Amino acid sequence: ETGVTQTPRHLVMGMTNKKSLKCEQHLGHNAMYWYKQSAKKPLELMFVYNFKEQTENNSVPSRFSPECPNSSHLFLHLHTLQPEDSALYLCASSQDSGGYNEQFFGPGTRLTVL
Amino acid sequence: GQNIDQPTEMTATEGAIVQINCTYQTSGFNGLFWYQQHAGEAPTFLSYNVLDGLEEKGRFSSFLSRSKGYSYLLLKELQMKDSASYLCASMDSNYQLIWGAGTKLIIKP
Repeated sequence: ETGVTQTPRHLVMGMTNKKSLKCEQHLGHNAMYWYKQSAKKPLELMFVYNFKEQTENNSVPSRFSPECPNSSHLFLHLHTLQPEDSALYLCASSQDSGGYNEQFFGPGTRLTVL
Repeated sequence: GQNIDQPTEMTATEGAIVQINCTYQTSGFNGLFWYQQHAGEAPTFLSYNVLDGLEEKGRFSSFLSRSKGYSYLLLKELQMKDSASYLCASMDSNYQLIWGAGTKLIIKP
């Protein structure tokens, strides 16, 4: 138990569906992250939020839309995804996004796009 | 460009020692992280090195050579529960983590 929870743990969706991934951290951190993890590939940073403000968007397609209503919650809204978007989506948090800060990860959402 | 290299897979025997190497090339450097990830679980923090040398933490040690862009994770007295993927990540000048693809470690009895 890392103090970061993600729901759902598994999600299967069609290319025309709209769904959302949820992340919640109970660590009092100020920074939250979305990563994509594909098999045998490095973790890809998608978005970073620091004090609820988006500070990084690593050229992520607009079919992925993040939302950070407060420092404890982070969402990833999904629409018109492609089969190549199938992956494990990991959420992480840290004290803040600058300087040395250990990141704490959630267990991930395993997404399959049909 | 930024690049992290580590072996894809390693096999070792229970009770033995294994060294997982990582070479990095990033824009600036603010430290090197190692994480452990069991199948289907969250990555969990193992170590952080920013100065040259060896940091020991129980059965696990991590080494860094900044001049060589090189780190290794040393696991001693291997146990079956050490079977996992080990992720190397370098923190660049913007404090972003640049990740390797991970090394899957298989422990055999």
